[in-house]
Amino acid sequence: AQTVTQSQPEMSVQEAETVTLSCTYDTSESNYYLFWYKQPPSRQMILVIRQEAYKQQNATENRFSVNFQKAAKSFSLKISDSQLGDTAMYFCAFNMNRDDKIIFGKGTRLHILP
Amino acid sequence: NAGVTQTPKFRILKIGQSMTLQCTQDMNHNYMYWYRQDPGMGLKLIYYSVGAGITDKGEVPNGYNVSRSTTEDFPLRLELAAPSQTSVYFCASRPRQGEYEQYFGPGTRLTVT
Repeated sequence: AQTVTQSQPEMSVQEAETVTLSCTYDTSESNYYLFWYKQPPSRQMILVIRQEAYKQQNATENRFSVNFQKAAKSFSLKISDSQLGDTAMYFCAFNMNRDDKIIFGKGTRLHILP
Repeated sequence: NAGVTQTPKFRILKIGQSMTLQCTQDMNHNYMYWYRQDPGMGLKLIYYSVGAGITDKGEVPNGYNVSRSTTEDFPLRLELAAPSQTSVYFCASRPRQGEYEQYFGPGTRLTVT
């Protein structure tokens, strides 16, 4: 069975610093998709970034980038120049190709301190 | 487009009562999902649907029922509410096979006392 593990339940960093959130997953498949979702205090789930496993290039979205290590089954999220608005719960998620369901990790609560 | 909408935003139920959580999407998405999120935890899949008339169980379906009579609507029914069903419920949709990003509604906070 596929699993997603986020080993950091909670993290705090100062505003403007760079922070990296860890995520590992377990699968025997070769085609899949990985996501990072952000859940701010408003509870709304927002897609931050996604990565297709067949793409070797790491995805980037403005201040957000990933370090995708397929062999190691690792998918970390790097937030550069962190802002107060980045304070949120961050979920790593995995979706196998052709599967109808997405699997979420338990989340990392990130606090950006002024 | 309103995206995915959920009603109500909040609800308090007494033990044994029933209710329906509404979910509607206006993006013509084939796939729809119901999740629950317990405090400090991730999301657990309750039920999902790959199209009108088709539903399937997720990880935690007990105590819930769903139906999908139209593409737009995917209501979640709680029968005989129990305190263990106190949670935040999220509905999500996804366009079609091959497109995996899920779009979430704002959630419904349900308390059963």
